[in-house]
Amino acid sequence: DVKVTQSSRYLVKRTGEKVFLECVQDMDHENMFWYRQDPGLGLRLIYFSYDVKMKEKGDIPEGYSVSREKKERFSLILESASTNQTSMYLCASSHRLASNTGELFFGEGSRLTVL
Amino acid sequence: EDQVTQSPEALRLQEGESSSLNCSYTVSGLRGLFWYRQDPGKGPEFLFTLYSAGEEKEKERLKATLTKKESFLHITAPKPEDSATYLCAVLLSGTYKYIFGTGTRLKVLA
Repeated sequence: DVKVTQSSRYLVKRTGEKVFLECVQDMDHENMFWYRQDPGLGLRLIYFSYDVKMKEKGDIPEGYSVSREKKERFSLILESASTNQTSMYLCASSHRLASNTGELFFGEGSRLTVL
Repeated sequence: EDQVTQSPEALRLQEGESSSLNCSYTVSGLRGLFWYRQDPGKGPEFLFTLYSAGEEKEKERLKATLTKKESFLHITAPKPEDSATYLCAVLLSGTYKYIFGTGTRLKVLA
């Protein structure tokens, strides 16, 4: 079974803390994504990576950074957490588009609460 | 502006009562349209991909169709276990950018 694993399902952090969200996929996918999901706003792309050490900003990158040192792992970093970053964070992966149909495979999500 | 709109926002059905969910889109170029199912507190699970107008895909009680402006997810004789949020997403041509709708929350009552 294909799998995208997010390291933490639930986190509670304080304003100003540094937060790491980790994502690992076992499907040898080139592309990895970080989204946040908020009620009424749908899924919004934070960052996208199409290869090791390569990244592109999504629609809402402010306040976030990412790291992809290995193909299977994509980390999302909140340098200084703020209350407006309380959300559900979803990691996804897919094959390079030229060689596949484009569907995303999602992890279970990480629900972050910033107090 | 690229946009994906889903309707209705929420839908309550009796078990066995068939219905359809709508996903309308206005995008610069469509590479594919995707349907996902999302259970509470979990990540979306892939259901279907559609690529061109007229295409249809089926899986159990679900059938997805595509026109040039919208997609429908038809649910035939639904069961309580079909209760979930159904998300629609469009992949823009020549990009890795997916535009997601806000979903339809489906509740099927026994």
